[in-house]
Amino acid sequence: AQKITQTQPGMFVQEKEAVTLDCTYDTSDPSYGLFWYKQPSSGEMIFLIYQGSYDQQNATEGRYSLNFQKARKSANLVISASQLGDSAMYFCAMSAGFQKLVFGTGTRLLVSP
Amino acid sequence: GAGVSQSPSNKVTEKGKDVELRCDPISGHTALYWYRQSLGQGLEFLIYFQGNSAPDKSGLPSDRFSAERTGGSVSTLTIQRTQQEDSAVYLCASSPVGPPYEQYFGPGTRLTVT
Repeated sequence: AQKITQTQPGMFVQEKEAVTLDCTYDTSDPSYGLFWYKQPSSGEMIFLIYQGSYDQQNATEGRYSLNFQKARKSANLVISASQLGDSAMYFCAMSAGFQKLVFGTGTRLLVSP
Repeated sequence: GAGVSQSPSNKVTEKGKDVELRCDPISGHTALYWYRQSLGQGLEFLIYFQGNSAPDKSGLPSDRFSAERTGGSVSTLTIQRTQQEDSAVYLCASSPVGPPYEQYFGPGTRLTVT
């Protein structure tokens, strides 16, 4: 069975600063995918970034990067140059066999001016 | 293009009634998923459809829950004899053919059982 752990219920960051949201995972499958989603107060789930278990390089998408440390089973999301619009819930998720996603409990990020 | 759509956006029902929730996936996406999100919680997997294969129903919480997908496109999630603990946001997602199979979510249906 897969499990995702997000230990930070809430994080605060000032505008223009970088912030790291933690995610650790557990799985016995050798092939898996790791995903981050953003959920603003409006409720929609927005796909941010993906990392495959066999990818050699850390994934990046604009201001988002995924710090993938396979041996430590961690997949932290780094948001650079935070913006007020980044305030939201952030969910880490994984899939094995690229099927259903298993989600963590989320981290609420608040960006202050 | 059009994203995943769900209807209704909100549904209030009395305990014991049946409800149907609808999902229209992104055109061309072969996989469709249903999740449930209770207040302040993460997402809980319910059921997964992939093409013509038998659906993965392993996340359905009880036999009061069922889902079907017609013509490989639209899906309906049915909850029979609703209970108060069924109150949640029900999210549908679809994913394209090919890796990384990222899932795109609809806006959800907020179900309230009174």
